[in-house]
Amino acid sequence: NAGVTQTPKFQVLKTGQSMTLQCAQDMNHEYMSWYRQDPGMGLRLIHYSVGAGITDQGEVPNGYNVSRSTTEDFPLRLLSAAPSQTSVYFCASSLTSGRGETQYFGPGTRLLVL
Amino acid sequence: QQQVKQSPQSLIVQKGGISIINCAYENTAFDYFPWYQQFPGKGPALLIAIRPDVSEKKEGRFTISFNKSAKQFSLHIMDSQPGDSATYFCAASNYQLIWGAGTKLIIKP
Repeated sequence: NAGVTQTPKFQVLKTGQSMTLQCAQDMNHEYMSWYRQDPGMGLRLIHYSVGAGITDQGEVPNGYNVSRSTTEDFPLRLLSAAPSQTSVYFCASSLTSGRGETQYFGPGTRLLVL
Repeated sequence: QQQVKQSPQSLIVQKGGISIINCAYENTAFDYFPWYQQFPGKGPALLIAIRPDVSEKKEGRFTISFNKSAKQFSLHIMDSQPGDSATYFCAASNYQLIWGAGTKLIIKP
């Protein structure tokens, strides 16, 4: 099992550009989520999905879109990049959305918006 | 009420010493308290977790102490080693995980 994979590892964007961060998992997990990690702020939930075709907003969803057409994939789209979106983005998955489920994280995507 | 407050922000401990990281929460509905460990350039990984029906859980050199009445829980790393140098996150959950801000731990050889 590859676990949770993310591409790209690093990306530089100019303000206003759009891009998609890819996330895939091969563990047949129902629950997938996207976080951003900023210094001193921990992990903040952007969007999450409890299964194919179902997505919902987290704590900081503005400027981001998601879709979940398959169990395996959960891409995150930046619609019009802003410098405030410079961050490290992590995708995570767990077997279900139930309480106490271990979340498995990908290696992260470092995004720099100029 | 959804916050989890973690301290200290950074911690330096001598090799062989005890590292202690503290977290406090407000929402009494939280019923799952994990700690995640993150090495540089990697995603966080579950280290150890506890539920509020026990006051302590130990796995090797890592122990969670839980004080339900004080709404606090802490991670103790005994005999700290340079390989323990990482960022540690506490979290609390009743539906979604609410994360602490993280503690950067450095173990000096």
